[in-house]
Amino acid sequence: GQQLNQSPQSMFIQEGEDVSMNCTSSSIFNTWLWYKQDPGEGPVLLIALYKAGELTSNGRLTAQFGITRKDSFLNISASIPSDVGIYFCAGRRGGADGLTFGKGTHLIIQP
Amino acid sequence: GAVVSQHPSRVICKSGTSVKIECRSLDFQATTMFWYRQFPKQSLMLMATSNEGSKATYEQGVEKDKFLINHASLTLSTLTVTSAHPEDSSFYICSARDQIRGKLFFGSGTQLSVL
Repeated sequence: GQQLNQSPQSMFIQEGEDVSMNCTSSSIFNTWLWYKQDPGEGPVLLIALYKAGELTSNGRLTAQFGITRKDSFLNISASIPSDVGIYFCAGRRGGADGLTFGKGTHLIIQP
Repeated sequence: GAVVSQHPSRVICKSGTSVKIECRSLDFQATTMFWYRQFPKQSLMLMATSNEGSKATYEQGVEKDKFLINHASLTLSTLTVTSAHPEDSSFYICSARDQIRGKLFFGSGTQLSVL
């Protein structure tokens, strides 16, 4: 099946640093979502984006829905140890459709 | 918040047996549920869309006779892996769509290990 192009694949950063990751697609999505998944758990929604150009924040997290509807980014400011995990972007075309996921970004924070 | 309960969380079975996984929406009705599969260190891949009262829609490459889906009520969908083989070992995750609010909620996943 299709996957979104998500980068970087992994990040090794120091605590307190800012983080940026992005997803691109060759086709349009009408909703972009960002999830965090801990080992052995289902993904947890961080931010949902519903309109092209939309910029949304959730605490230290900020995400944007690209104007072309083919990309999105997620920024995490002032990273803390509990931010460690795997982050996935996901796109949805219609309201009743399943999600197409990115390959994930593994965030590792060194104290 | 809305909760989706997935059971069992972990199952080990012998090759050739069938395994049933349940996905329940606890405080909302879901006419549509989705089943995903996730292999180690990989992303979630949509397997099928489960529609209450009708046949499931399978993604390309997913065998409908092997992965039986039943969505008999507005709060329950089941995925049965028939004649499981070691290559079916994976993390299976469901999500349910709140038919009123339109939001998606994920279950906590089922780790299937086939010996």
